[in-house]
Amino acid sequence: KAGVTQTPRYLIKTRGQQVTLSCSPISGHRSVSWYQQTPGQGLQFLFEYFSETQRNKGNFPGRFSGRQFSNSRSEMNVSTLELGDSALYLCASSLEGGHKTGELFFGEGSRLTVL
Amino acid sequence: GENVEQHPSTLSVQEGDSAVIKCTYSDSASNYFPWYKQELGKRPQLIIDIRSNVGEKKDQRIAVTLNKTAKHFSLHITETQPEDSAVYFCAASNYKLTFGKGTLLTVNP
Repeated sequence: KAGVTQTPRYLIKTRGQQVTLSCSPISGHRSVSWYQQTPGQGLQFLFEYFSETQRNKGNFPGRFSGRQFSNSRSEMNVSTLELGDSALYLCASSLEGGHKTGELFFGEGSRLTVL
Repeated sequence: GENVEQHPSTLSVQEGDSAVIKCTYSDSASNYFPWYKQELGKRPQLIIDIRSNVGEKKDQRIAVTLNKTAKHFSLHITETQPEDSAVYFCAASNYKLTFGKGTLLTVNP
């Protein structure tokens, strides 16, 4: 069974630009969560999607958004990039997520550098 | 919302020694407590988890304990090996997972 796939793996943007990251979950997994990882801050929750609906949201500004498609693939978008958005963005899928939280399967991440 | 504090932020032990990482959580409704290991340059992977109806769980050299009254849980690694060197994250969940900031464990040969 294929794992969680994230694209692109690396990207460099300049301040003010926008970026879209993609995540393909494990087949059969309906929950997709996104996390921002920065040194010293751990894994900070961005949002979770389940059956095309945003079910939970973290404490990030509205510049961070996402969506999920009918095949469970998910995208996240960051608009008006700031230097502080430089981070590793991790996507994780699980069977149910939410109140039935079980094991999360992480992708390798998309490393975003904002210049 | 949930807040998870993790200590220590770095831990260095000699091979064969034990390592203990502690976490506290704030939301008494949290009922699921996983631990993830992230090796350098790799993705986080679940190593052990515990639910609130259990006080302790063990898997070979790894064990997790949970004290619901005090709202803290700990990871215990015995007979540490160099391949245990990694960043370890605890997390707590009621309806979404909130992670601690991680502990960098270094096992010196």
